Amino acid sequence: GQQLNQSPQSMFIQEGEDVSMNCTSSSIFNTWLWYKQDPGEGPVLLIALYKAGELTSNGRLTAQFGITRKDSFLNISASIPSDVGIYFCAGLNYGGSQGNLIFGKGTKLSVKP
Amino acid sequence: NAGVTQTPKFQVLKTGQSMTLQCAQDMNHEYMSWYRQDPGMGLRLIHYSVGAGITDQGEVPNGYNVSRSTTEDFPLRLLSAAPSQTSVYFCASRAGSALGQFFGPGTRLTVL
Repeated sequence: GQQLNQSPQSMFIQEGEDVSMNCTSSSIFNTWLWYKQDPGEGPVLLIALYKAGELTSNGRLTAQFGITRKDSFLNISASIPSDVGIYFCAGLNYGGSQGNLIFGKGTKLSVKP
Repeated sequence: NAGVTQTPKFQVLKTGQSMTLQCAQDMNHEYMSWYRQDPGMGLRLIHYSVGAGITDQGEVPNGYNVSRSTTEDFPLRLLSAAPSQTSVYFCASRAGSALGQFFGPGTRLTVL
């Protein structure tokens, strides 16, 4: 079945640094989603991308939908301690069922003040 | 709107016991789903529903049952709990097939 490869698995950075993480797939997706999960909470939707090549920002977060439709990246600029958490990418195919929403295994971000 | 709500937040069961995890959403979303999250495994889909009266299996359905009698509610039933079902369970909903999904706060289940 479809799988998403998310990297890196974990990151330890200094406050103020920029962060980049990405997801790749062997299959095409029509939508890419990026979520953040705080400890003890459910994932929260950060950014949704609906078109190949699309670049979307949400505050200090920027995400892009790859031209090939097989990848996406998320950048966080000037990281702060509250950015700590696990970031998940998810790919979705139109017209499909819930079964077509595929999640990466997450990138765990740690920020040192 | 309360969004997606889940109860209970924590639960401990003995092997063989049954229980129902509750999920409700007040956004009139058609699509609802259940995931389990285990360390290093990400989120895995258990069951999902594309509307009231319609359910289907996801990636890891064994040991779980669901029903969708109303748009708002999507309970997950464990008929005979096993230690392998120790996990964090998330319910999620979305308005349409192409739209972003919203998650509940999760239920942390331990089966002894």
